[in-house]
Amino acid sequence: DIQMTQSPSTLSAFVGDRVTITCRAGQSIGSWLAWYQQRPGKAPKLLISKASSLESGVPSRFSGSGSGTDFTLTISSLQAEDFATYYCQHYYTDPFNFGQGTKLEIK
Amino acid sequence: EVHLLQSGAEVKKPGESLRISCKASGYSFTSYWIGWVRQMPGKGLEWMGIIYGGDSDTRYSPSFQGQVTFSVDKSINTAYMQWSGLKASDTAMYYCARPRFQGMGNSAFDVWGQGTMVTVSS
Repeated sequence: DIQMTQSPSTLSAFVGDRVTITCRAGQSIGSWLAWYQQRPGKAPKLLISKASSLESGVPSRFSGSGSGTDFTLTISSLQAEDFATYYCQHYYTDPFNFGQGTKLEIK
Repeated sequence: EVHLLQSGAEVKKPGESLRISCKASGYSFTSYWIGWVRQMPGKGLEWMGIIYGGDSDTRYSPSFQGQVTFSVDKSINTAYMQWSGLKASDTAMYYCARPRFQGMGNSAFDVWGQGTMVTVSS
């Protein structure tokens, strides 16, 4: 299994802040990484695939980068609706494990 | 529009069996895999495995191998997950989700069901 480790587990920020969430894979996964947003009581939503490809309809303030083992999700200017939990997931070789999640809270 | 509609919430007793469903619409069911994801109360997402709609080829996470069984019914575009003996620790929300590229189990989940809450309590 490839383990995915996100940091931080919790992040407090203000509206308008720029924030970065990190995801590290236990071995190289190329660019086979996705980022999801989950709001309370809702199903996850795909934001980014292939490490840096923004999904249609996702605001451009979201961006992803990285390859190999180290990846980041950046939100350039936080909006109120961005406060949620974010998960990375690799899909290099099954099982396609998720990271443990990063909860983004309003400061 | 591509859509996954999951069956409703279930309340079961330990030891009981259960099958939950995920009905697909808006795309060719037999050309795509469907995955299952567990989320225990207050916890993160766990990848359980995937099943191919065309031939029922299945990949289980080692963490869930032997604990659940996936199946599909191509005639009604529906995927299932079943338990033969539920435990209290199976209490969770279960999501089905579709990888974005047909024929490829290894792609991101771009379509999700609304989730099925399973509660196991004596």
